[in-house]
Amino acid sequence: GQSLEQPSEVTAVEGAIVQINCTYQTSGFYGLSWYQQHDGGAPTFLSYNGLDGLEETGRFSSFLSRSDSYGYLLLQELQMKDSASYFCGYRARDDKIIFGKGTRLHILP
Amino acid sequence: NAGVTQTPKFQVLKTGQSMTLQCAQDMNHNSMYWYRQDPGMGLRLIYYSASEGTTDKGEVPNGYNVSRLNKREFSLRLESAAPSQTSVYFCAILRGGAQYFGPGTRLTVT
Repeated sequence: GQSLEQPSEVTAVEGAIVQINCTYQTSGFYGLSWYQQHDGGAPTFLSYNGLDGLEETGRFSSFLSRSDSYGYLLLQELQMKDSASYFCGYRARDDKIIFGKGTRLHILP
Repeated sequence: NAGVTQTPKFQVLKTGQSMTLQCAQDMNHNSMYWYRQDPGMGLRLIYYSASEGTTDKGEVPNGYNVSRLNKREFSLRLESAAPSQTSVYFCAILRGGAQYFGPGTRLTVT
């Protein structure tokens, strides 16, 4: 089967750096993606890793290690508007995509 | 959001009623998805369609049916709604490695 694990909550301070981890158990793995969702809104795409290594997009970076079945999202220079839920999503070869339960990020001033 | 629209935005049903949630994209993407989201449960895949004419079950397909009418539209049908189907429903498309979501349908079954 397929499953993803990520922490339910993370707290960090404004201006700091935070890492949200995601581990997965899958078959037919194709890639890992990350999404942000504010309360009452729809998920929005942040980053995708189809290959091992680091992908950087502005203040957000994502990392993948296929051999460890592990990835993470790194958020730098945290801002209050980054308070949201973050989801990792596993993509299978047939384009099936399932998600972890999400990580709620709390940012303290 | 790559032009993904959903209708309706809100709906209240009585137990046993049926309804269809509509999703349409204005881009020419093959893969489309239906998810439900409940508090603390994240996004759970109901059905997906990797191309026109094909549909596959996701994690929680029971109580739902889907139709990929054409490349542009992917509908979700509840034949006999139950209170357990109270949820927020999101449609999404896949473009490259990124999914783009519609604004969601908030469904309440009483």
